Amino acid sequence: DSGVTQTPKHLITATGQRVTLRCSPRSGDLSVYWYQQSLDQGLQFLIQYYNGEERAKGNILERFSAQQFPDLHSELNLSSLELGDSALYFCASSLDIGETQYFGPGTRLLVL
Amino acid sequence: GENVEQHPSTLSVQEGDSAVIKCTYSDSASNYFPWYKQELGKRPQLIIDIRSNVGEKKDQRIAVTLNKTAKHFSLHITETQPEDSAVYFCAAKEGSWGKLQFGAGTQVVVTP
Repeated sequence: DSGVTQTPKHLITATGQRVTLRCSPRSGDLSVYWYQQSLDQGLQFLIQYYNGEERAKGNILERFSAQQFPDLHSELNLSSLELGDSALYFCASSLDIGETQYFGPGTRLLVL
Repeated sequence: GENVEQHPSTLSVQEGDSAVIKCTYSDSASNYFPWYKQELGKRPQLIIDIRSNVGEKKDQRIAVTLNKTAKHFSLHITETQPEDSAVYFCAAKEGSWGKLQFGAGTQVVVTP
């Protein structure tokens, strides 16, 4: 157990819908990262937050958005869902930027 | 930004043999290089890491070497076992303060 929690574990929804994925970082970690992993694919970096502020953006679609709250938990919002958005979404946290990232168990999203 | 290339993409070894995965990076300021193991459907987990002030680090059957001049680092697994079968990701820190940049991953299959 890495200490990073993610909810829900599984999510099944329909095209066009909107979902919110939640992440709680390890105690004391200030930085949160979101990754998308499609079947047999690598880790696609989406976005990073540090102490509530956005720090880096990767290949994140405009339909996706995220935020980190004052208690340091983070949410990833996915809207106007398409079939291709079906993937494992991982959250990771680290004490500081560029340090060891600890991954949560992931949320498996299936868009039908 | 940092660019990390990882080879090979797949690696099949006989149980008991050694496995070697190589990564190259582009940013000469990178100073932290972790390796992650991801079993099917599970989270990536840190297995070993190395910082730029050392050239080699070992933990039981796993070792990592770093060549800063050539900007490459490698993961060595000796006496492979079936439970070593997984996808392995290398990563490099972007500069001195940046986030981790991940390689594309190596699927390792250990056959009995």
